[in-house]
Amino acid sequence: EPEVTQTPSHQVTQMGQEVILRCVPISNHLYFYWYRQILGQKVEFLVSFYNNEISEKSEIFDDQFSVERPDGSNFTLKIRSTKLEDSAMYFCASRAANYGYTFGSGTRLTVV
Amino acid sequence: QKEVEQNSGPLSVPEGAIASLNCTYSDRVSQSFFWYRQYSGKSPELIMSIYSNGDKEDGRFTAQLNKASQYVSLLIRDSQPSDSATYLCAVTRNSGGYQKVTFGTGTKLQVIP
Repeated sequence: EPEVTQTPSHQVTQMGQEVILRCVPISNHLYFYWYRQILGQKVEFLVSFYNNEISEKSEIFDDQFSVERPDGSNFTLKIRSTKLEDSAMYFCASRAANYGYTFGSGTRLTVV
Repeated sequence: QKEVEQNSGPLSVPEGAIASLNCTYSDRVSQSFFWYRQYSGKSPELIMSIYSNGDKEDGRFTAQLNKASQYVSLLIRDSQPSDSATYLCAVTRNSGGYQKVTFGTGTKLQVIP
């Protein structure tokens, strides 16, 4: 069964550093997303990406964040100047039209 | 009013019983409805989708949709301890030609052996 692949599974970074979280969506999917989940809290929408541009972003997705689809397969989330409160599980998801998301297994980001 | 509302639980049911999970949504033009299961520390996993009023059954799971009442539910028959997880309701609607998906906060289900 097709999978959404995320790397790394766990990233520890120092406060103020930049991190790049990587995702390989399912190949025939058109819509791509990043969500985050702070420990014990709900899954929060960050950004959606369609047709090589951002479709929608939440208030969480400020200038500290950016997304790229640098080639036909990868989808990245960059977090500049990380803060302690950025520590969370970050999920990439993709979907075809009118279907539910397929989530990746997530990247646990720990900012120390 | 929250866009997608779920009781956070925990909902405790004995093994073998029916677990009933409920979700209400605020946007009447919502089109597609999904249930995800999330085990602790894991990513959400799609278990059911429903698009039209009525019931949809898949194994031990039944999704029920009532658009007039803006209500979607998930029934789990013959609940097993392995069903213990958080269940997320997700709702989609068109937003400027693009489909927006909103998740509820999730209901934690505990199946007691």
